[in-house]
Amino acid sequence: QKEVEQDPGPLSVPEGAIVSLNCTYSNSAFQYFMWYRQYSRKGPELLMYTYSSGNKEDGRFTAQVDKSSKYISLFIRDSQPSDSATYLCASQYNQGGKLIFGQGTELSVKP
Amino acid sequence: ETGVTQTPRHLVMGMTNKKSLKCEQHLGHNAMYWYKQSAKKPLELMFVYNFKEQTENNSVPSRFSPECPNSSHLFLHLHTLQPEDSALYLCASSQGLDQPQHFGDGTRLSIL
Repeated sequence: QKEVEQDPGPLSVPEGAIVSLNCTYSNSAFQYFMWYRQYSRKGPELLMYTYSSGNKEDGRFTAQVDKSSKYISLFIRDSQPSDSATYLCASQYNQGGKLIFGQGTELSVKP
Repeated sequence: ETGVTQTPRHLVMGMTNKKSLKCEQHLGHNAMYWYKQSAKKPLELMFVYNFKEQTENNSVPSRFSPECPNSSHLFLHLHTLQPEDSALYLCASSQGLDQPQHFGDGTRLSIL
């Protein structure tokens, strides 16, 4: 079983839609959770960084962690074509530990 | 100037060649990382350096040899690679091992 699982998609939505991206993880020892965005032919760019359970909001983006169900979510409100990218979730046992990545979900936002 | 710069962006090499990938960070960070990204697979951590000292080797074959001469530069020396080594190689840096990582745009490596 992979430590972090993510549906690869592709996921296609119309502009303005609310997008929900999800990951599950297997190890309850994970404490830190991240979302990265990767545009084509670019490196991953850190979007959200959260500790333990709860929500974190940054503009149109909300990251949610539910440790009881080992579920990580990223919500994008009012999605734009510029949000079209691959979104990677990652988990970490502790600060300074190894990042464990999901395989990424490809998102396409159509005008 | 971008924070983490990788060169070359693309590299095609034969299985018997020797080449090197270069990474330079302009962020004043102390930790640097090499990752491998293959199609439809998660990023795989290869090596970690903190203050020029290697702190992690994630069971990487010896045909990959990292070098970190200072906190701003990281190299990955390649020799006798296999076709399955074709991938995107990403460099990252962070202020410390407990800080978020910033990635370069990678070197796309193709082994003939």
